[in-house]
Amino acid sequence: AQSVTQLDSQVPVFEEAPVELRCNYSSSVSVYLFWYVQYPNQGLQLLLKYLSGSTLVKGINGFEAEFNKSQTSFHLRKPSVHISDTAEYFCAVSLELNSGGSNYKLTFGKGTLLTVNP
Amino acid sequence: DGGITQSPKYLFRKEGQNVTLSCEQNLNHDAMYWYRQDPGQGLRLIYYSQIVNDFQKGDIAEGYSVSREKKESFPLTVTSAQKNPTAFYLCGSREYNQPQHFGDGTRLSIL
Repeated sequence: AQSVTQLDSQVPVFEEAPVELRCNYSSSVSVYLFWYVQYPNQGLQLLLKYLSGSTLVKGINGFEAEFNKSQTSFHLRKPSVHISDTAEYFCAVSLELNSGGSNYKLTFGKGTLLTVNP
Repeated sequence: DGGITQSPKYLFRKEGQNVTLSCEQNLNHDAMYWYRQDPGQGLRLIYYSQIVNDFQKGDIAEGYSVSREKKESFPLTVTSAQKNPTAFYLCGSREYNQPQHFGDGTRLSIL
């Protein structure tokens, strides 16, 4: 079974500083990877996804992530954060179709609360 | 616009009472999901359904029940057997190999 570890439960940063939110996964087969953002009392919104192809993935709101298969990581980065980026961020993984496992289940990390201070 | 509608946004339950959370999607997705979210716990899968009239237990199914009579609907019932139901509940749907979409959630509280 796959698992996801988000190494930091909280990350405080100052406005306009760069940020990296870390995500490591565990799986014996190929996976798809996702980052979601959640604002208070709302559902989750997709930031970006890695299905195949280039390992550097660009998403919405200026975020990007890099898939590193050898390190089983999918860290999220933004070069300059804004106050409005304050939210909780979730990394998620699903097995690749035809990998021999269930493609329907998405496994989430426990989330990282990003707080951007003025 | 296509999306997922969860209702109600806030729900209160009395002790010993069953309550049903609604989830409707017009994205024509085959798979639908229910998650429970508690502070610091991330999202935990309660039930999921890959096709109509079929569903599977997730990691924390005890005290919950679901039905999937129509492709667009996947209601969740929180039964009186669920001893700690206070949480934020999220419904999702997806197609093969694609990201999951989410509704805006239902916050359930005990009176």
